[in-house]
Amino acid sequence: GAGVSQSPSNKVTEKGKDVELRCDPISGHTALYWYRQSLGQGLEFLIYFQGNSAPDKSGLPSDRFSAERTGGSVSTLTIQRTQQEDSAVYLCASSLQGNTIYFGEGSWLTVV
Amino acid sequence: RKEVEQDPGPFNVPEGATVAFNCTYSNSASQSFFWYRQDCRKEPKLLMSVYSSGNEDGRFTAQLNRASQYISLLIRDSKLSDSATYLCVVRGINYGQNFVFGPGTRLSVLP
Repeated sequence: GAGVSQSPSNKVTEKGKDVELRCDPISGHTALYWYRQSLGQGLEFLIYFQGNSAPDKSGLPSDRFSAERTGGSVSTLTIQRTQQEDSAVYLCASSLQGNTIYFGEGSWLTVV
Repeated sequence: RKEVEQDPGPFNVPEGATVAFNCTYSNSASQSFFWYRQDCRKEPKLLMSVYSSGNEDGRFTAQLNRASQYISLLIRDSKLSDSATYLCVVRGINYGQNFVFGPGTRLSVLP
């Protein structure tokens, strides 16, 4: 597609369940980022992938959060044993060689 | 100290006003600078890159002062459609290739 694609766009899950969020970056973009934004708050960096290099996981808030990027393209962010404080919009972005980043529309997660 | 800081806002201005946003960053090794715009419940979108010599795009002017580690955005003749949150974004080698976002300043342009 032309832009960054994320799915699902909305997800309501029960506390304690695992969720998977998917990101399909812009074709050819080597860098992929995950950010989180709680309501009314700024963007919080989670994880960054660049080509075949080891990902920068320094922003992951706990070991319940993990992410993979398969084949240098699609990425999946997994949250295990979800908590209410995980409720937020999860934004994926991609860039070409570290230039301007382009965001998807986000996955809105609500933990009830 | 946060890596990127911005005016806390919000700014409420009448149509036609000129409004200025300020941003400071802490890492002197920062290499690239941007302003993004985020509408309510939408994803951030690039407004403009910021170059050392300053740059202008229509009603928008961006300035960079590396010595002071300061970035600004000026909006002239503001429109109702300019209402959004403006995000200052910095990227530098010391961050890896990560982009660091400021907390944003919300602007409301009033009729």
